[in-house]
Amino acid sequence: DAGVIQSPRHEVTEMGQEVTLRCKPISGHDYLFWYRQTMMRGLELLIYFNNNVPIDDSGMPEDRFSAKMPNASFSTLKIQPSEPRDSAVYFCASSPDRASLGTEAFFGQGTRLTVV
Amino acid sequence: KQEVTQIPAALSVPEGENLVLNCSFTDSAIYNLQWFRQDPGKGLTSLLLIQSSQREQTSGRLNASLDKSSGRSTLYIAASQPGDSATYLCAVNGEETSGSRLTFGEGTQLTVNP
Repeated sequence: DAGVIQSPRHEVTEMGQEVTLRCKPISGHDYLFWYRQTMMRGLELLIYFNNNVPIDDSGMPEDRFSAKMPNASFSTLKIQPSEPRDSAVYFCASSPDRASLGTEAFFGQGTRLTVV
Repeated sequence: KQEVTQIPAALSVPEGENLVLNCSFTDSAIYNLQWFRQDPGKGLTSLLLIQSSQREQTSGRLNASLDKSSGRSTLYIAASQPGDSATYLCAVNGEETSGSRLTFGEGTQLTVNP
């Protein structure tokens, strides 16, 4: 398997524009996570899905952020409208099963978002 | 709320030295702990996963220990090499939710000088 695949790798957009980040998890993994990494706050969980269903979205900063997982092999994180403070690296991760069964998380290469 | 702290924030050592990175967490109710490596501008690479019932895990020159009751983990790197230079992140998977979520430390930025 090629691992978790994210696109695009880099995105530069103007404030107010809509941004869509994409993720393809490892095949067979039931859990998918979206994290955000900034210098100020480190790595933070935004939302995660189990079997395509959102389980915990308490980390989503505000209503401008939304995430979907229409099927087991694809997820999107959308920011509309984008703001300069959204600039960060966004990581997608997947794991085969829940943590209580001892599984580890695998991360994608990330999308570096710059909002100007 | 789980908090993860990593000490030191940065470390610079000469090649060949053995070193220890520290990680502490406030809530000992965890399923597992994972150590990651992050190279500049890159994603996270999983190094070692320790289950809550385990005391340590080894992979090559890396050895990670876990003392769940005291909320501590260490990552030991033997015979360090310049290629080990990266940021090392510790993350715990807590029992506070029914599913899975990692809480990360701030990381230790390691530089191994030739």
